[in-house]
Amino acid sequence: NAGVMQNPRHLVRRRGQEARLRCSPMKGHSHVYWYRQLPEEGLKFMVYLQKENIIDESGMPKERFSAEFPKEGPSILRIQQVVRGDSAAYFCASSPDRGANYGYTFGSGTRLTVV
Amino acid sequence: RKEVEQDPGPFNVPEGATVAFNCTYSNSASQSFFWYRQDCRKEPKLLMSVYSSGNEDGRFTAQLNRASQYISLLIRDSKLSDSATYLCVVKIYNNNDMRFGAGTRLTVKP
Repeated sequence: NAGVMQNPRHLVRRRGQEARLRCSPMKGHSHVYWYRQLPEEGLKFMVYLQKENIIDESGMPKERFSAEFPKEGPSILRIQQVVRGDSAAYFCASSPDRGANYGYTFGSGTRLTVV
Repeated sequence: RKEVEQDPGPFNVPEGATVAFNCTYSNSASQSFFWYRQDCRKEPKLLMSVYSSGNEDGRFTAQLNRASQYISLLIRDSKLSDSATYLCVVKIYNNNDMRFGAGTRLTVKP
């Protein structure tokens, strides 16, 4: 049973370009969470999605950032017109339901570098 | 006030030492609690859940004090391989995302 798969592992973008980060949840999981970790800081919640629905995007920056989790295929975190401050590690986690009593498994992350 | 606060450390201890990490959380509606471990440039990995009655997993003991909104992690007989950053995590009931502390860095030295 493959874990949470994220790709690419490393992504380099020039300022102003678009970044697309992909997350395939564990088999049977329909809930996906995205977190961002800036250098030397903790993980910050960005967005929680179920298939075809955004449940909670309270942690998403108001501009340039969007996320989706289509019926088929991976969840996508999209950053338009990237800036140097977007450089960070982006982690995705998944869960099978809304259960509150277990922790989530994370993917190995995508490290975005904006040059 | 941050939702989850931890002493950032670093904690530098010799092998075999006992070390304790503390964490406080601000939202009294928090329902589930966890400790994660994160190695340098890797993803966080679940170390253990924290239960109201306290729980132990080998050399690791977790405690929860709901009245004080306080969580702790005790590591006995530290190993070199315990060197990592330890993240305190809470989950709010009816809000499915987890909130992370900034982490406490531990270095175990020979």
